[in-house]
Amino acid sequence: GAGVSQSPSNKVTEKGKDVELRCDPISGHTALYWYRQSLGQGLEFLIYFQGNSAPDKSGLPSDRFSAERTGGSVSTLTIQRTQQEDSAVYLCASSLALSGANVLTFGAGSRLTVL
Amino acid sequence: AQSVTQPDIHITVSEGASLELRCNYSYGATPYLFWYVQSPGQGLQLLLKYFSGDTLVQGIKGFEAEFKRSQSSFNLRKPSVHWSDAAEYFCAVGSVTDSWGKLQFGAGTQVVVTP
Repeated sequence: GAGVSQSPSNKVTEKGKDVELRCDPISGHTALYWYRQSLGQGLEFLIYFQGNSAPDKSGLPSDRFSAERTGGSVSTLTIQRTQQEDSAVYLCASSLALSGANVLTFGAGSRLTVL
Repeated sequence: AQSVTQPDIHITVSEGASLELRCNYSYGATPYLFWYVQSPGQGLQLLLKYFSGDTLVQGIKGFEAEFKRSQSSFNLRKPSVHWSDAAEYFCAVGSVTDSWGKLQFGAGTQVVVTP
């Protein structure tokens, strides 16, 4: 597509439920990134993918968070047993490659509210 | 560890006046530096980037930034602001030795433009 597409744009869930957030990167972009934007924490790196593999998962806050990417394209971020502190905007970005003078293009984000 | 500091949380500027947003970074190696802008409900849009070469970088929307290694700064400037420049601005640093897309963001500066 023309840009990075994320869905849902808004998600309200109850504490303890699982949620899935989807990211559809720009066609042909091999690198994909997840960031989290929350009050008090700012923008935090979560994980990135090169193709379908995730060389760096160091930013995932806990083992309740996981992400996968299939076919070198769509990625899903899953949060299990959601907690109120998971409330944030989850941003996805993609780029042509991991290194070099490439630019990250961000999606509009998925706003998660955990009640 | 790398870090990015944006000393000003909030700036109010009159339309037509000049704007300067400060950014200081702490990084052990040669950094990649970025400025992003975020309008309400939108994702991050890249304004400009510095990888190497000329330390004065021109970006979109009439913005420029200057990399000063001696001061560890990468301040963003615009000679004359427009009402549409009201947004939140983020400075970010990436690594030449890591996935450069794994960015460390500053806390952001909220810019309000008054008539």
